[in-house]
Amino acid sequence: EAGVVQSPRYKIIEKKQPVAFWCNPISGHNTLYWYRQNLGQGPELLIRYENEEAVDDSQLPKDRFSAERLKGVDSTLKIQPAELGDSAVYLCASSSSGTGYEQYFGPGTRLTVT
Amino acid sequence: GQNIDQPTEMTATEGAIVQINCTYQTSGFNGLFWYQQHAGEAPTFLSYNVLDGLEEKGRFSSFLSRSKGYSYLLLKELQMKDSASYLCAVPPPGNTPLVFGKGTRLSVIA
Repeated sequence: EAGVVQSPRYKIIEKKQPVAFWCNPISGHNTLYWYRQNLGQGPELLIRYENEEAVDDSQLPKDRFSAERLKGVDSTLKIQPAELGDSAVYLCASSSSGTGYEQYFGPGTRLTVT
Repeated sequence: GQNIDQPTEMTATEGAIVQINCTYQTSGFNGLFWYQQHAGEAPTFLSYNVLDGLEEKGRFSSFLSRSKGYSYLLLKELQMKDSASYLCAVPPPGNTPLVFGKGTRLSVIA
């Protein structure tokens, strides 16, 4: 069974440019998470989906970040425009619905904004 | 809210035993997770404790004391490949996602 797939693995862009990340969760997992992880820190949640509904996006900087999961499967996270401080690893994870379930993480996208 | 505290760095010798502690404060308890994260890689699940006591899984064991808001991860017979960050995480009460600690970076030396 395939794990969580993310692309691209690495992205280097100049500030003020847009960027998008894609995630395909494990088949059958209704819950999808986007995290941001800065160097030496734990992952911080940006947004959580239950199927196609965003149920927790309180940490998402909505002025420049957006996300969608139109059919309740794949998801895209976008930053427009990117800022220097957005440089981080963006992790996608999926799990069965609810809490107490193991989250499976994708390999992440390492974003560098110059 | 959630507050999770774990040491920033630890160093241990190959073949030895190391204990990584995690203390947490939460308004409700819904279990505690430990994840392992190698540099440049995604976190991978190690353990989930919801009841007090020690759960053993091969060389790794995880302990939980709910009354003390305390957990530890015990790694035995350390190998060089165990050099990684170990993240403690708790889900807040209700249908809300994990809150991760900053992680403990373990270095295993020969």
